[in-house]
Amino acid sequence: GENVEQHPSTLSVQEGDSAVIKCTYSDSASNYFPWYKQELGKRPQLIIDIRSNVGEKKDQRIAVTLNKTAKHFSLHITETQPEDSAVYFCAASRYSGAGSYQLTFGKGTKLSVIP
Amino acid sequence: GAVVSQHPSWVICKSGTSVKIECRSLDFQATTMFWYRQFPKQSLMLMATSNEGSKATYEQGVEKDKFLINHASLTLSTLTVTSAHPEDSSFYICSARVAGIDNTQYFGPGTRLTVL
Repeated sequence: GENVEQHPSTLSVQEGDSAVIKCTYSDSASNYFPWYKQELGKRPQLIIDIRSNVGEKKDQRIAVTLNKTAKHFSLHITETQPEDSAVYFCAASRYSGAGSYQLTFGKGTKLSVIP
Repeated sequence: GAVVSQHPSWVICKSGTSVKIECRSLDFQATTMFWYRQFPKQSLMLMATSNEGSKATYEQGVEKDKFLINHASLTLSTLTVTSAHPEDSSFYICSARVAGIDNTQYFGPGTRLTVL
């Protein structure tokens, strides 16, 4: 099955600096890579995603890059703000039969933005 | 759009009782719903995949007789934790996939289960 590794597990940055979180995956059949932000006790919120036919996608201060050959993808947050503090999860999705796509999550990165 | 609700948001029960958690897609049809379990400071672990009108597919190590899943309609899936024990205490989160070819999942707000 799919295995997703995420690094680092914790990340502290000064407000205004950039933050980068990296993930690798094992299943070359995976073709959809979402990133979720989860605040304490709340639901994971989709913040950006990328599909395997695209190498990079950007949405304001957030960008994601994908290298299918190397099987890794990264989340980039620029001009970080205190409200960016949360746990971020990467995931990889593959077709699992019967019309279903399963997500395999990384272990998460706790991002702390220091004012 | 793509809102998923979950009920209850938290529940405390005695050991040995059963607890039912509902997951609803409010503004879209979800042919597939997923149930996850999350322990404190850990990632989301997929428990089972629920397809409307058919039996759920459970992940390895998840007891299907203990975690009963019913996906009776395109907008509702339920998870029943039977004969709950303290080790079942966890954060249970459902997600739903919009019917069609999009494989984006939208998550419910989660249910905090505490078994005394």
